[in-house]
Amino acid sequence: QITLKESGPTLVKPTQTLTLTCTFSGFSLSTGGVGVGWIRQPPGKALEWLALIYWNDDKRYSPSLKSRLTITKDTSKNQVVLTMTNMDPVDTATYYCAHSFVAGTLHFDYWGQGTLVTVSS
Amino acid sequence: SYVLTQPPSVSVAPGKTARITCGGNNIGGTSVHWYQQKPGQAPVLVIYYDSDRPSGIPERFSGSNSGNTATLTISRVEAGDEADYYCQVWDTSSDLGVFGGGTKLTVL
Repeated sequence: QITLKESGPTLVKPTQTLTLTCTFSGFSLSTGGVGVGWIRQPPGKALEWLALIYWNDDKRYSPSLKSRLTITKDTSKNQVVLTMTNMDPVDTATYYCAHSFVAGTLHFDYWGQGTLVTVSS
Repeated sequence: SYVLTQPPSVSVAPGKTARITCGGNNIGGTSVHWYQQKPGQAPVLVIYYDSDRPSGIPERFSGSNSGNTATLTISRVEAGDEADYYCQVWDTSSDLGVFGGGTKLTVL
């Protein structure tokens, strides 16, 4: 079965860079059509799509955060890493990674449990 | 960028039908996906490609999409359906993901 799990720091200081790792099992990111995305949710607020990496290493970023985000994959380790630079308190949120399969329009069928990241000095 | 608009809240009595809308410019021209999120939990896909249900999702959940509005319909609502619901599209023109603002479903 497909599982994903996010890991990373729970607390970062303003201006620091956040690095989150999504470790997954049950699928390979070298299989055609597969993608892994990152979505975040500030406390009490809506979901926000951040980034996606495809099996072929193609990448997509939210336009509003594109300058601050980098998504990479390590197929051998079954991991996807998201980095976000210049963190600010408004970036406090639960960050989720999720599996997708590109057949038609993309959606997220399996999600990690999420990891809460607090930005505070 | 593409914008999806959802009502902040919908209330329904147990056993009745809940309808949650998701508005977007010509949203009927793309596929809409719906997620259920209960407090403290990750979102769960309940409808994809407008009206398909993943395995394990009750038949009470259905979806439709036409014109400028997509709708998630929950029939015979149960207390356990109380949750936040989000619509999502993949904007194929820009190849980017978009979520709606979410709707809190309250079961009276």
